[in-house]
Formats: sequence, structure tokens, C-alpha cells
Amino acid sequence: ETGVTQSPTHLIKTRGQQVTLRCSSQSGHNTVSWYQQALGQGPQFIFQYYREEENGRGNFPPRFSGLQFPNYSSELNVNALELDDSALYLCASSSGTVTYEQYFGPGTRLTVT
Amino acid sequence: DQQVKQNSPSLSVQEGRISILNCDYTNSMFDYFLWYKKYPAEGPTFLISISSIKDKNEDGRFTVFLNKSAKHLSLHIVPSQPGDSAVYFCAARVYGKLTFGQGTILTVHP
Repeated sequence: ETGVTQSPTHLIKTRGQQVTLRCSSQSGHNTVSWYQQALGQGPQFIFQYYREEENGRGNFPPRFSGLQFPNYSSELNVNALELDDSALYLCASSSGTVTYEQYFGPGTRLTVT
Repeated sequence: DQQVKQNSPSLSVQEGRISILNCDYTNSMFDYFLWYKKYPAEGPTFLISISSIKDKNEDGRFTVFLNKSAKHLSLHIVPSQPGDSAVYFCAARVYGKLTFGQGTILTVHP
């Protein structure tokens, strides 16, 4: 059974640029949630995708967008990067939207300069 | 608006003793509470959970207590081991979405 994987591991971008982060969910999981974890903080919910549709969104602006593909892998896109977007981005997969148990990937560390 | 709070940034205990990590919440709609453990360079790992209709759940060395009237939950680790040293996050679920606390760094000294 393959766990949740994320790519890339680290990324450095310049303010104003755009970035795409990728996540492969655990085998058999059809739901992916994305979180932003700033330094010294807990993960903050960005949005969730279930069967290729957005299923709930946290308090993040529209320049944060996502996609889920038929194989349930997912992308997080961030446009017009700001310095405050520097954080660890985590994706978590689960089997359905009701289950409480989510399996996290190791994250992508994004630095915006 | 911090709906889930962990007020202790860090906790240091001796090996073999009890570790008690605390978490407070404000939203009465939360239906499940969870604890995650996170090592450096890894994603959070699910540890233990409790439904809002229960007041205690035990799994080996880990026990979670829920006090709904006080909107407070705690994680007890007995006995603590050096390998338990990590960041511990409490999380609460409503409508399928998780809200996390800020985390507590637990250090267990040999």
C-alpha cells in the first residue's frame, strides 16, 4: 500500500509568481484535503476535493485553487505569491468525506522571497 | 478566531513518567476530536480520536479524555518514552473538516 506522496519537497519562488504543488493520495482514497502550516502554527484547512469536485473551503483567497484528477491525485495552485504564503503545504487523503482519519503526506516547503 | 487552542507550546517530562497534553475548543458543533503526532520532515500521523459522545478513549499507552462542559480535551501518555518526543496537534472535526491547534512540543528525557 503506497502512502501519500507530495512533490516537490522544497520550492523557492519570487513574490508575484505562480506555483503548483502536487499530491498523490493513498491507494483507495477518493478525498484529498490541503492544509497550510505556517511556522509555529498548526495546519490550516485550505480546501477539500472529493471525486474531482471542491467539497468545502477554508478562509483562503481565490488565488488558492485546486484540482483533483480521475485517479484522485491532486494539485494546489497559488497565483500572485505573497511573502506570507511561505509555509509547509500538506495534503491529506481519506476514504470519503465523513471519515475523520486523514493520512498526511510529508509536505512541500514553499519559500517566497 | 482560534477555535482550537493548545496553550502550552512545549512540555518536558522524564522517561517513564506521565505526559499530559491539553487542548481547549470553542465550537460546540465539533463531533470528533483527534490527536496527531508530527516528527520533523514528516507529515502528521494520526494517534487517537474520541467522539463527542464519549468522555474517554484508550489505546495502549495513550488515553484521550473529553470534558464537554469545559470544552477541554487532554492526551495522557503513560509511560512516556524518548521516542514519543515530537510535536502533538489536537484537531477537531465539524462537517468533515479538521481544525488544528497550534501544537505542543513534547520532549521526553531518558
